Amino acid sequence: EVQLVASGGGLVQPGGSLKLSCAASGFTFSTSWMSWVRQAPGKGVEWVANINQDGSGEYYVDSVKDRFTISRDNAKNSLYLQMSSLRAEDTAVYYCATAMGGYWGQGTLVTVSS
Amino acid sequence: DVVMTQSPLSLPVTLGQPASISCRSSQSLVHSDGNTYLNWFQQRPGQSPRRLIYMVSNRDSGVPDRFSGSGSGTDFTLRISRVEADDVGVYYCMQGSHWPITFGQGTRLEIK
Repeated sequence: EVQLVASGGGLVQPGGSLKLSCAASGFTFSTSWMSWVRQAPGKGVEWVANINQDGSGEYYVDSVKDRFTISRDNAKNSLYLQMSSLRAEDTAVYYCATAMGGYWGQGTLVTVSS
Repeated sequence: DVVMTQSPLSLPVTLGQPASISCRSSQSLVHSDGNTYLNWFQQRPGQSPRRLIYMVSNRDSGVPDRFSGSGSGTDFTLRISRVEADDVGVYYCMQGSHWPITFGQGTRLEIK
C-alpha cells in the first residue's frame, strides 16, 4: 500500500522558518518525481514545487522561489520542504504527492501568524 | 502560466443523473513529447485530493467506470454517467504539460 506521511507543520510567526518532511513507502521512491502541493483554508489547490528522481532538478511556483527549497533523501525514502521568510499567505495544508498526483499524503497544516 | 478555467463552479445534481464538468486551458496542453498531461482529481470533504483520470482519459485504478474523461488541445470534460452520494466533493482539473503545473478553480458537486 502506498503511504505518504507528511509532518512538521505548525504555527510560525511571519518571517520565520519551518521544515516539512514526508515519509514515503509502498512504491519505488527513488525513481519517482515528487511534489509539494498546498491548499489554503477553504481555497483551491496550488502546486508549490517539484523535484526529479535524483534531486538534481528543482522547480518552484514563482510565489515561493528563493524562499522555499525542496529536497529528498532516497536512502531514507523521504521528501522535504524547507520554508523560510514565511508570510501569512503561505498558511495552508501542505501535501506531498507524486509529481502527476497519482498518490497524495494526508497533509500537514502550516499556519503563519503572529 | 497556463490558466485552467473550470465550469460550472457549482454543480447540483440529482442522484442517478449524469454530470459534466468542463475545463479549458489558456494554451494547448499537447506536450513536446506528444502527450497531453491533463488530469482530474476528486476531493471529498475533509480528505486529500484523489486522482481519477490521467492524461485526459485514463482512469486510475479503483475508479468506477461511471467516471470518464475526454477532450483535446485546450478543451476537456469530466463526465459522471450516474451520480451517487459518494461523489459529493470538489473536482479539479490539472495540467502538467507546462511549468508551472496549474489547477482549475474547482467545481463543487452537490446532491440536489
